[in-house]
Parts: sequence; C-alpha cells; structure tokens
Amino acid sequence: QVQLVESGGGVVQPGGSLRLSCGASGFTFAYYGMHWVRQAPGKGLEWVAFIQNIGLFKHYPDSVKGRFTISRDNFRNTLYLQMNSLRPEDTAVYYCATDQQGYYVSRWGQGTLVTVSS
Amino acid sequence: DIQMTQSPSSVSASVGDRVTITCRASQGITTSLAWYQQRPGKAPKLLIYAASSLQSGVPSRFSGSGSGTYFTLTISSLQPEDFATYYCQQANSLPLTFGGGTKVEIK
Repeated sequence: QVQLVESGGGVVQPGGSLRLSCGASGFTFAYYGMHWVRQAPGKGLEWVAFIQNIGLFKHYPDSVKGRFTISRDNFRNTLYLQMNSLRPEDTAVYYCATDQQGYYVSRWGQGTLVTVSS
Repeated sequence: DIQMTQSPSSVSASVGDRVTITCRASQGITTSLAWYQQRPGKAPKLLIYAASSLQSGVPSRFSGSGSGTYFTLTISSLQPEDFATYYCQQANSLPLTFGGGTKVEIK
C-alpha cells in the first residue's frame, strides 16, 4: 500500500535551517508530482511547495519563496524540503503528499513537527 | 492568490443528520475544487475532487457539488466517524489555497 514517511523535524532557532525528508513506498514514485503542506498548531492547512514528477517544475507560495526549496531523488524514492531562514511562524506539522492529476493532494504522510523557537 | 471561504466555521449535529458545508472562491475556479476530512491528530484525507467526484474508498454518503465560485459538501446521514474538520481547496491555479475549515461536532 502507499506509504509516505516524513522525517527530519525538530526544534531549531529562528534564522536556522532544517531539511525534511519523505520516504515513499508502495507506488511508482517517479510517476507522481509531490507536495508539502503544513499545519500550524491548532490552525488550518497551508500549501508549501509542489514539484513535478521529473523535478523540472517547482512552485511555492510567497510565504516561503526564496527560503524553502523542494527537491526529489527518484532513484531513492525520496522527497525533500530544505528550509532556510526559519521564522517562528514556520512552526507547524509538515506533511508530504502525492499529487493526483489536477493539483489534488491525494495521499498524505503522518507529518513531522518543526518548531522554530529560541 | 485565490481566497477560499468556508461556512460555517463549526456545526453541531447528531448521528443521522444531514450536514451541508459551503465553500466560496474569490474568483471563478470552474470545478477545480477538493474536499478533505481531518480527524484529530491525523493527516487529512481526500474525499472529493473535481467538485463532485468521489475519491476511491470514500462512502457514498459524502457528495460534492458546485462550480465557478460556490461549492457544497453534503454528508447525507452523519456517522460517528464523520465528526472531524473539513477543508476545501482550490486546484485551479498555483498557489494552491485552502479554506479555513469547518469543524463538525457532536450535538
């Protein structure tokens, strides 16, 4: 079955960096676009990044553009999110998820918590 | 960016009730809309895509309708496992945006 497992979350100081990983199994990873979506404690969902299946097209909202970079390794079936210049408002659970054609977010991991605090 | 507005923000209902949640887009998005269910402490789950298409494995008591700027999610007969928070999301253009959520609570 489809499985997405995020890792790499933790506590980081403002201005610091963190790299999240998402290991995929149970499906042909290279066929699918992928998303990162986050959820601040007690808040709603916020889309963070998208990468096309072969990695040539990427997109971000203004809130993270220039600070976050999405990438993927189709040989290792792994998705990444490099987060730099972190701010307290980046504190959230970060989910990786598959794209269902048409920018629908279909399968989700269990999430990893990132806390930005001094 | 396209803004998504859900109403109500919360609703109290009983098992067996019919519940309808609405979602409005700040500009027309044709039928490029999804609905998600999120139970406490769990990841969201895709219920409906393309405004009215039921995701595989989702019970038929869930249905979606609408186009343009106005959309609805209806649960025809609320079950105990349906008490959760529901989000709409526009898939018309990047950046993808979600509604603020509707919490369905037990009456």
